[in-house]
Amino acid sequence: QSVLTQPPSVSAAPGQKVTISCSGSNSNVGIGYVSWYQQLPGAAPKFLIYENNKRPSGIPDRFSGSKSGTSATLGITGLQTGDEADYYCATWDSSLSAPVFGTGTKVTVL
Amino acid sequence: EVQLLESGGGLVQPGGSLRLSCAASGFTFSTYAMSWVRQAPEKGLEWVSTISSDVVSTYYADSVKGRFTVSRDNSKNTLYLQMNSLTAEDTAVYYCAWLRYGDYSCHQHWGQGTLVTVSS
Repeated sequence: QSVLTQPPSVSAAPGQKVTISCSGSNSNVGIGYVSWYQQLPGAAPKFLIYENNKRPSGIPDRFSGSKSGTSATLGITGLQTGDEADYYCATWDSSLSAPVFGTGTKVTVL
Repeated sequence: EVQLLESGGGLVQPGGSLRLSCAASGFTFSTYAMSWVRQAPEKGLEWVSTISSDVVSTYYADSVKGRFTVSRDNSKNTLYLQMNSLTAEDTAVYYCAWLRYGDYSCHQHWGQGTLVTVSS
């Protein structure tokens, strides 16, 4: 089981906003950068956010990231049906000396 | 355009071996660390292994340590994963990923994955 905990699922109507939490500890989220990934059904993960809140080229500003203490959050505004996917957080864990992924959150557009 | 193309997956019996390859293009392969990440059916992402750009350092998840070996050939822009003593728990899609410079937890590009099925 992962050391980073995410809610199993979140949902909202088209055009609305969702937030996904990523809860860790002082050995991972609390001391390192968090990145986020989107995995559409049947596809490979896609890089969404790095260094807590930065977007790679090509990622729309509807996607945002933040971090406070030992928790990080991914926000998606203007929700679209194409945003239905699984979302994962990741960071480095100093106790494990290894990268760790969150448990994953399924986003459903109602 | 960055491309990571995995190959080598397939059906293998318990106790068997398999070698995965990942051909990289579109970036200076020799400059970056690379990782393997796997995803069991209907499960989340699990980090498997990382290798430094200069091949000097390798890292493994406890679940594969002693059984899997990561390597790379910078002259061929190719990453490898040798998997031995496979068990049903190793059944997964295996992705290779390009790591962001200086951050071994930040996977900035992923291949399409190759499926490994361990079954008799």
